[in-house]
Amino acid sequence: GENVEQHPSTLSVQEGDSAVIKCTYSDSASNYFPWYKQELGKGPQLIIDIRSNVGEKKDQRIAVTLNKTAKHFSLHITETQPEDSAVYFCAASRGPGRRALTFGSGTRLQVQP
Amino acid sequence: NAGVTQTPKFQVLKTGQSMTLQCAQDMNHEYMSWYRQDPGMGLRLIHYSVGAGITDQGEVPNGYNVSRSTTEDFPLRLLSAAPSQTSVYFCAVNPGGGNYGYTFGSGTRLTVV
Repeated sequence: GENVEQHPSTLSVQEGDSAVIKCTYSDSASNYFPWYKQELGKGPQLIIDIRSNVGEKKDQRIAVTLNKTAKHFSLHITETQPEDSAVYFCAASRGPGRRALTFGSGTRLQVQP
Repeated sequence: NAGVTQTPKFQVLKTGQSMTLQCAQDMNHEYMSWYRQDPGMGLRLIHYSVGAGITDQGEVPNGYNVSRSTTEDFPLRLLSAAPSQTSVYFCAVNPGGGNYGYTFGSGTRLTVV
């Protein structure tokens, strides 16, 4: 089955700096890679996703890059703000429904004001 | 429009007791899933359903039962609770039909003593 590894487990940055979280996956058939943000006491919330036919996707301060050859993808947050502090999860899937999502172990991001 | 509703939010069980975690959605989505979240391990898939009357096992199904008699509801049953089932449980839904985004509920924190 799919295995997703995520690094680092914790990340502390100063407000305004950039943050990068990296994930690798094992199943070459995976074609969908979402990123979720989880705030304390809440469920994960989708913040950005990318499909295998795209190498990069950007949404304001958040971007995701995908390297299918190397089987890794990354989340980039620019101009970080204190409200970006949360746990971030990457995930991989072969497609909708079937076997759903395989998650990484999470990265706790702390943005210092 | 409540989205995905999970009840209860908190529960303490004694070893050997049974209970049902409820998940209800008003989004008319085909796919529903149950995940458990443990520290340092991300979210792991327990069971999922691609439509009413159809369920399948995920990564960690042992000790849990599910059924899907309606589109709206996907209850998770613990027949004989064990301390190893202490976790936070999340229900997630997806429209199916090629749309990959999952919406999560706010979770149920279960403690088995």
